[in-house]
Amino acid sequence: DGGITQSPKYLFRKEGQNVTLSCEQNLNHDAMYWYRQDPGQGLRLIYYSQIVNDFQKGDIAEGYSVSREKKESFPLTVTSAQKNPTAFYLCASSISRGGSYEQYFGPGTRLTVT
Amino acid sequence: GESVGLHLPTLSVQEGDNSIINCAYSNSASDYFIWYKQESGKGPQFIIDIRSNMDKRQGQRVTVLLNKTVKHLSLQIAATQPGDSAVYFCAEDPGGSEKLVFGKGTKLTVNP
Repeated sequence: DGGITQSPKYLFRKEGQNVTLSCEQNLNHDAMYWYRQDPGQGLRLIYYSQIVNDFQKGDIAEGYSVSREKKESFPLTVTSAQKNPTAFYLCASSISRGGSYEQYFGPGTRLTVT
Repeated sequence: GESVGLHLPTLSVQEGDNSIINCAYSNSASDYFIWYKQESGKGPQFIIDIRSNMDKRQGQRVTVLLNKTVKHLSLQIAATQPGDSAVYFCAEDPGGSEKLVFGKGTKLTVNP
């Protein structure tokens, strides 16, 4: 999984609780991303950060928050405001090289909220 | 709305056959495309990429073809093996923003 770690692999929470998903990379990549994947669906962008201390909303940011205090870390908090939080969450990082870039993904965290 | 889609949600092939997975995109400004492979319960794995100034790019057992006229992208896998069974996603970068847009994926099943 290219030097990106996500923990834990499985996470269970009760409805109404906030939960933070960890993402760490040792690839020295500037950009980091959070995606959500639902069964049989593609990946949808939640938040992304192209540099430390800066991040932007993706297509489905409502109910989520992030921070980027360190280059190697980009934690995602799923708040109680997220109406359908149960999903597979994927973190990624990328670096530009000569006009192209590869976006490497972590192994994912499967969050179940009941 | 989603600008990248797939022609078929599933594809079943015999081991040793060649596989072709197709993808249509609608954003003519997209200049960079990537194919990913995702095995069950894992994160997507980069396979191959192509920029819009190319029509074809080859890797190990894989070839990506880009037809900008009809906004079509395909992934060809030669001599498909059981280990190739996975969901394959195409992704595009509209306008070089490094924000990828993903298609829904095609599930490839390789029968021994």
